[in-house]
Amino acid sequence: GNSVTQMEGPVTLSEEAFLTINCTYTATGYPSLFWYVQYPGEGLQLLLKATKADDKGSNKGFEATYRKETTSFHLEKGSVQVSDSAVYFCALSGGSNYKLTFGKGTLLTVNP
Amino acid sequence: NAGVTQTPKFQVLKTGQSMTLQCAQDMNHNSMYWYRQDPGMGLRLIYYSASEGTTDKGEVPNGYNVSRLNKREFSLRLESAAPSQTSVYFCASSSSGRTDSLGYGYTFGSGTRLTVV
Repeated sequence: GNSVTQMEGPVTLSEEAFLTINCTYTATGYPSLFWYVQYPGEGLQLLLKATKADDKGSNKGFEATYRKETTSFHLEKGSVQVSDSAVYFCALSGGSNYKLTFGKGTLLTVNP
Repeated sequence: NAGVTQTPKFQVLKTGQSMTLQCAQDMNHNSMYWYRQDPGMGLRLIYYSASEGTTDKGEVPNGYNVSRLNKREFSLRLESAAPSQTSVYFCASSSSGRTDSLGYGYTFGSGTRLTVV
């Protein structure tokens, strides 16, 4: 079946630091890949997505590239802000199972 | 705003009590889902409904039942609540299960925080 493994954190950074949150996946076929973000007290919001190999998803300064050869979809941001403090979830759908499968989430805290 | 609406936002139950969590979406989505979120466990799928009139078990269905009342509404029922069901519950919807592979993603509600004592 499908599965997603992401670094568990928590991750604590200073403002303007570089962010990487690793995500790898296991799936049959050609899944779509997603990053969702959950701000404190809220539901999940789609941050970015990529639907085929070598696609780069981007939004709000965050980027992730769909790497089929390494089955990875790492999230990066060049300069984080305090407002980026949230839980980030890597997810996939498609392949043998069209439902979303989530990683366990990574808590990011950005200090001023 | 358009989206997914969940009620209630907070609930405290005693062990053995029953309750229904309500979810409604106004985006004309075909598929709806119920997840629970627990610390260190991420989101786990309880039940889903690929289309109106169908429901299927997810990863952790025991102790729950669902009803897809119509295209808009998908409710989750706890018949006899247990402390292990203390969690945050999220409802989500998507335009079509099969087109999710094209990258449409899900829209989530803001969650129901349930405590069973």
